[in-house]
Amino acid sequence: GAVVSQHPSWVICKSGTSVKIECRSLDFQATTMFWYRQFPKQSLMLMATSNEGSKATYEQGVEKDKFLINHASLTLSTLTVTSAHPEDSSFYICSARDPPGGRYEQYFGPGTRLTVT
Amino acid sequence: AQRVTQPEKLLSVFKGAPVELKCNYSYSGSPELFWYVQYSRQRLQLLLRHISRESIKGFTADLNKGETSFHLKKPFAQEEDSAMYYCALGRNEKLTFGTGTRLTIIP
Repeated sequence: GAVVSQHPSWVICKSGTSVKIECRSLDFQATTMFWYRQFPKQSLMLMATSNEGSKATYEQGVEKDKFLINHASLTLSTLTVTSAHPEDSSFYICSARDPPGGRYEQYFGPGTRLTVT
Repeated sequence: AQRVTQPEKLLSVFKGAPVELKCNYSYSGSPELFWYVQYSRQRLQLLLRHISRESIKGFTADLNKGETSFHLKKPFAQEEDSAMYYCALGRNEKLTFGTGTRLTIIP
C-alpha cells in the first residue's frame, strides 16, 4: 500500500528558532498533502492543505506566516515552524492523497513530536 | 460548519462481546463518513468508509441520516481490536475528525 514518511520523528528546539518537518510519499505521487496538529488526548486538527506547485490553503485560525508550507515536488511537502514558542509544542501529522483511491483516500505519516523549550 | 462527535473517550469490552463505537455528525449536505483506526505505535489508517458498505476486520458501520449517526459495530470483539478509533467526515476534499474513542478489549 501507499506509504508516507515524516522526518524527523521527534525534535527539540529552543524558543525563537525555526524547525522544518518533511513529509514524503514514498511510492506514489501526491498532488495534495495535508498537515494536521494533534494535542494530547485530542483530535487531529487540520492546519493546511498543501498543493504541489501552488500556495498552501490554511484553515481558519492558523497563522500562515508562522507555519510555512512548501510543496515543491509531487513527493515532498515541508512544514516549517518559524520562531517557535513553547505553545507550538505538539504532534504534527501529515497525510497524502493518492488520487486513484478517491478524493478522501489519505495515507498518514507516523507524525513528528515537536518540543519547544 | 460540520462537526463530528464521539461521545465516549474510553470504552472497555470483554473479548467475544459486541462492540459499538458511537459517532454523530452535523452537516447540512450529503456526508461522506469514514472510520480511521490507530493501533498502538502505528500510524492512522483507514478502516472503512460508508460509501463502500463493506465489512473490514469484522467491523461494519451504517450511515443513519435520520439520526445523523455512523456508529461502528462488531459482533464479537477480539483482543487485536484494541486501538484508538476516529470517526471522520469528508467535505470539500478535507476530513474533519472526531475526538476519538480508545477501545480496550479485556481478555
